[in-house]
Amino acid sequence: QKEVEQDPGPLSVPEGAIVSLNCTYSNSAFQYFMWYRQYSRKGPELLMYTYSSGNKEDGRFTAQVDKSSKYISLFIRDSQPSDSATYLCAMSEGAQKLVFGQGTRLTINP
Amino acid sequence: KAGVTQTPRYLIKTRGQQVTLSCSPISGHRSVSWYQQTPGQGLQFLFEYFSETQRNKGNFPGRFSGRQFSNSRSEMNVSTLELGDSALYLCASSGTGAADTQYFGPGTRLTVL
Repeated sequence: QKEVEQDPGPLSVPEGAIVSLNCTYSNSAFQYFMWYRQYSRKGPELLMYTYSSGNKEDGRFTAQVDKSSKYISLFIRDSQPSDSATYLCAMSEGAQKLVFGQGTRLTINP
Repeated sequence: KAGVTQTPRYLIKTRGQQVTLSCSPISGHRSVSWYQQTPGQGLQFLFEYFSETQRNKGNFPGRFSGRQFSNSRSEMNVSTLELGDSALYLCASSGTGAADTQYFGPGTRLTVL
């Protein structure tokens, strides 16, 4: 079993919908949690960064971490076609040596 | 501020050859990490260098090696290439703090024939 589990999708939603992406993990030592967005043939781009449990909001994006359940989520409000990409969750004990989920391929349909 | 740069962007090699990839971190960043991304295994951590010393290492065979120079630029080398080494190799840099996040370059796509 992988340390980080993420449904690879694909996930397809209409423009304007709220998107919910999530990951589960098994290593209770993880304390840094990140979401990256990766467009085709590009490197991952950092979207959200959270230390320990709690919520963090940045524009249309909200990240949630529940360490008691070993579960993290990313919500995208008012989704746009430009949000179509692969979303990767990542986590680590220190801020280095990231462990990634498989990535969820998301398509926003106009 | 310029982002992480990687050269070359694309590379084609044959089995048994060796390859060297290069990474220039964001100015001021001293930590450089390398990752391998494949459709089957996803993104996997190779190793991390900080101040010219390997600080962390993933579970890859010894054919994969790296180094970092005094200007924080880093190279990774893969010897005796195998078909399964075909992947996107990503470099990420970060600052010196324990909580500093990693910023990725565009990657080098390696194809082994």
